[in-house]
Amino acid sequence: KAGVTQTPRYLIKTRGQQVTLSCSPISGHRSVSWYQQTPGQGLQFLFEYFSETQRNKGNFPGRFSGRQFSNSRSEMNVSTLELGDSALYLCASSQKADKETQYFGPGTRLLVL
Amino acid sequence: SQQGEEDPQALSIQEGENATMNCSYKTSINNLQWYRQNSGRGLVHLILIRSNEREKHSGRLRVTLDTSKKSSSLLITASRAADTASYFCATGGFKTIFGAGTRLFVKA
Repeated sequence: KAGVTQTPRYLIKTRGQQVTLSCSPISGHRSVSWYQQTPGQGLQFLFEYFSETQRNKGNFPGRFSGRQFSNSRSEMNVSTLELGDSALYLCASSQKADKETQYFGPGTRLLVL
Repeated sequence: SQQGEEDPQALSIQEGENATMNCSYKTSINNLQWYRQNSGRGLVHLILIRSNEREKHSGRLRVTLDTSKKSSSLLITASRAADTASYFCATGGFKTIFGAGTRLFVKA
């Protein structure tokens, strides 16, 4: 099976812009989670989708949003970008609803100038 | 704040030596997972240990869990240069919480 794929891999934006990141989970996986990784804050949970429904959300402002499509592919959107949004954004999929084992994509590295 | 906290933050050893990393967490758990990350890439799931297990092995990896102390340790035996990476513990199912990670450097 193909692994989790994320596009784009690298992205440069300027403050105030918005960005959409995409994640394709492993075939058959219905749970998709998003994480932000920065040197200062480490790995932080953004949100998780299961069967097109947002099941859990981390402590991030409303500028961060996401959605999941019927084929389990997921997108994450960040509006009104700030310098502090520069990070590696990781997507992970899981076959089971309990997310015991998550399979991560390579990440999208976002730089906000 | 991170629930899992790894110790040490960084570790440098020679090839062939064993590497031990520790993780502490704050709340009760159903399971604890360890992941590896190579140089800013995606994480790779290494091993999961359930709350009713005390020890688990997978190849050169040995994980222990002490729920009374809310701590876990990851032992990598006979380390190799390819083991150079950051290692994270993670707890929680629906809202996975990762520790700050231990950066392991294995010198050839």
